[in-house]
Amino acid sequence: AQTVTQSQPEMSVQEAETVTLSCTYDTSENNYYLFWYKQPPSRQMILVIRQEAYKQQNATENRFSVNFQKAAKSFSLKISDSQLGDTAMYFCASPYNDMRFGAGTRLTVKP
Amino acid sequence: NAGVTQTPKFQVLKTGQSMTLQCAQDMNHEYMSWYRQDPGMGLRLIHYSVGAGITDQGEVPNGYNVSRSTTEDFPLRLLSAAPSQTSVYFCASSREGRLYGYTFGSGTRLTVV
Repeated sequence: AQTVTQSQPEMSVQEAETVTLSCTYDTSENNYYLFWYKQPPSRQMILVIRQEAYKQQNATENRFSVNFQKAAKSFSLKISDSQLGDTAMYFCASPYNDMRFGAGTRLTVKP
Repeated sequence: NAGVTQTPKFQVLKTGQSMTLQCAQDMNHEYMSWYRQDPGMGLRLIHYSVGAGITDQGEVPNGYNVSRSTTEDFPLRLLSAAPSQTSVYFCASSREGRLYGYTFGSGTRLTVV
């Protein structure tokens, strides 16, 4: 089965510091895409960042960046200058024939 | 654009009742999916569709039916509700899921008593 694994159920970080959330996945495909979604207390799912597997360069969106290690099947999310509004559940996801999600990491940003 | 609209937002059912969760999108997306979210388990795929008239099962399809008669609508039917189906349900759509990721509705919190 193709799976997505997030090994950190909960994390916390001080405001303005940097935090990295981990994700590993399993796939037999060569060309695929990886995603990080944020779910704040409002419950809305928000796409944070997307990585194309055939691109060597790591994706960056403002304070969010990824560390993509294709050989290791690792796709971590780095949040720089953490803000209180970053408090949320974060889900790693990868599309196979559909979209599969990890179990999530609950991130708390402390003032 | 309204995006992905789910109704209702909250629902309480009695065991054995049936109901339909509605999902509509106005973005002309081909891909649509239904997920359920349970604590500690992330989002699990129930059913998905890659276009009108085409549906397929996901990870947890038992107890649910879907149909896709139009590009816009993708209703999820609970045939005979069970307490194990208590969950938050999300509908999502995508222009091409593998490439662009999904746009999600705001969810339906379903409680089966």
